[in-house]
Parts: sequence; C-alpha cells; structure tokens
Amino acid sequence: EVQLVESGGGLVQPGGSLRLSCAVSGFTFSSYAMTWVRQAPGKGLECVSVITDSGGVAYYADSVKGRFTISRDNSKNTLYLQMNSLRVEDTAEYYCARIALSYGPLDYWGQGTLVTVSS
Amino acid sequence: QSVLTQPPSVSGAPGQRVTIACTGSSSNLGAAYDVHWYQQLPGTAPKLLISDNSNRPSGVPDRFSGSRSGTSASLAIAGLQAEDEAVYYCQSYDNSLSGRVFGGGTKLTVL
Repeated sequence: EVQLVESGGGLVQPGGSLRLSCAVSGFTFSSYAMTWVRQAPGKGLECVSVITDSGGVAYYADSVKGRFTISRDNSKNTLYLQMNSLRVEDTAEYYCARIALSYGPLDYWGQGTLVTVSS
Repeated sequence: QSVLTQPPSVSGAPGQRVTIACTGSSSNLGAAYDVHWYQQLPGTAPKLLISDNSNRPSGVPDRFSGSRSGTSASLAIAGLQAEDEAVYYCQSYDNSLSGRVFGGGTKLTVL
C-alpha cells in the first residue's frame, strides 16, 4: 500500500523557518518525481515545488522562489521542504504528492501538515 | 486568479448529471498537456479522480467521466449521490510558467 506521511508543521513567527518531511512507503521512491502542494485556509491548491526522481532538478513557484528549498533522501524514502523567511501568506496545509509521469497526475497524496505563520 | 478557470459552484439533485468545466489557454490545455481532475472531500486531502483527460484510476466509479477539447476540459458526474459533495479541481501543466497549475476549484452541492 502506497503511503505518504507529512510531518514538521506548526506555528512559526514571520521571518522564521520550518522543515517539512514526507516519509513514503509502498513504492520505489527513487523512481518518481515528487511535489509539495499547499492550500491556504478556504482556498485552492498551489503547486509550490517539484523535484525530479534523482533530486537533480527542482522547480519552484514564484511565490516561494529563493525562500523554499525542496530536497530528497532516496536512501531514507523521504522528501523535504525547507521553508525560510516565512510570511503570513505562507500559512497553509502542505501536502506532498507523487507525480505519476513527467507531466502526469499527482496520483498519491499525503494527509497534509499545517503550517501557521503568525506573530 | 487561477491559470485554469472553473465555475465556483455547481449543484444537482440526487440521480441527476452535472458537468464541471475547466478552461485554459494556449500555454496549457491548448498546448496539448493533459488535464487531470481531483476530488477533495471535506477535511481530507485531494484524491486523483480522472487522469490524462479521461482515464479513471482503479476504484473510481464509472459515474465519473472526463473529456477535453482544445483549450477546455470537463468533468461529468452522472447519477449524483450525496457522497459526491466535494470540491473538484482540474490540473494541467503550463509551459509559460514551467509548472503545474490548478483550477480554482468547483464546489459541488447535492441538493
């Protein structure tokens, strides 16, 4: 059974940092690109970052470029999102998801971890 | 504003058929990138509902179907059931943004 479990969310002050983790199981992690998608309270979905299967290439939405860093440890079956210089508008539920193919769907999602940026 | 445009809400009575439109542009749906649909039930993570324009993943009832033409796509739900109340999102790839984009979501209410 494919499972993705996020952790690391919480309350942080503006300008602070957090590192999210996504532990996966049930598939060959090193064979799939992965992504972080966020959802602000009551709002829609936004793909904030993507990383290739090897970790060699990453994509960032303009809204987080220069502040967030995606990475992965294929030996630990874990995906990460380092979030620095956090802003109030980064408050959201953060989901990790598996990308089925190069431009394919996000076929498996985690349950999400909530990040709240507030003073 | 979202790159892909969806109606904010649709509704239908149990047993009826509803459709949800998703309109894109020449840099996403018009560039032949596939569209995918997700269902988000209240308080849960999104779930893949339709992949590659019209394919149903295993376990998705055949009441759900997808189609796509040019810069538009649509999700149809036949035989509406109370459990279909959810928010539905379309998603594709945009080559001008070099990233995956979502529609704003459509809330389906079963009357």
